[in-house]
Amino acid sequence: QISLQESGPALVKPTQTLTLTCTFSGFSLNSTAVGVGWVRQPPGKALEWLAVIYWNDDKRYIPSLRSSLTIAKDTSKNQVVLTMTDMDPVDTATYYCAHTMRFLTALDVWGRGTTVTVSS
Amino acid sequence: EIVLTQSPGTLSLSPGERATLSCRASQDLRSTFLAWYQQKPGQAPVLLIYGVSNRATGLPDRFSGSGSGTDFTLTISRLEPEDFAVYYCQQYGSSPHTFGQGTKLEIK
Repeated sequence: QISLQESGPALVKPTQTLTLTCTFSGFSLNSTAVGVGWVRQPPGKALEWLAVIYWNDDKRYIPSLRSSLTIAKDTSKNQVVLTMTDMDPVDTATYYCAHTMRFLTALDVWGRGTTVTVSS
Repeated sequence: EIVLTQSPGTLSLSPGERATLSCRASQDLRSTFLAWYQQKPGQAPVLLIYGVSNRATGLPDRFSGSGSGTDFTLTISRLEPEDFAVYYCQQYGSSPHTFGQGTKLEIK
């Protein structure tokens, strides 16, 4: 059974760096086609896709945030880490990670999300 | 970047009625990498449909997806009370894997 859980700070100050961790079970990021993606949702707004990392370390990012985002995997810990630099109040959102399999399915199992507020 | 436009923004229907939700892409997807998600308040999205028309495991068959090229549709044949939620489409064949802005399905 696949499960994912996001963790990270609930509050960050403007200009700080946000580090979010997705800890998963029930699958391996060493397996062909497997990936983990990140999606965020500002309060009352739509979903916004941020990034994905695949089993072969292929990484894709949303262009508008490419300079501030980094996604990385630690297969030994079953974790994916998303780092976002220079946080701004507009980055206040719930951040989700989700399992995917490249070209086979979409984001088929999601974590519950973690809410991040950017405020001084 | 592929832009997905969903319509209508809000759909007001009664239980038992048929719901038709639209998702239009700014360019031909040239693939079947189109998904639909359902999101209820305070919850994470749930995958309903992937590959345009494949139902996720356990999804009732009153949900169906169709379309090709730039025009895609999610149909709920007979609405149940638990179906009232926000629905998003997403394309995942071309990076970035963009979402539409959502359609809110509300009880009339």
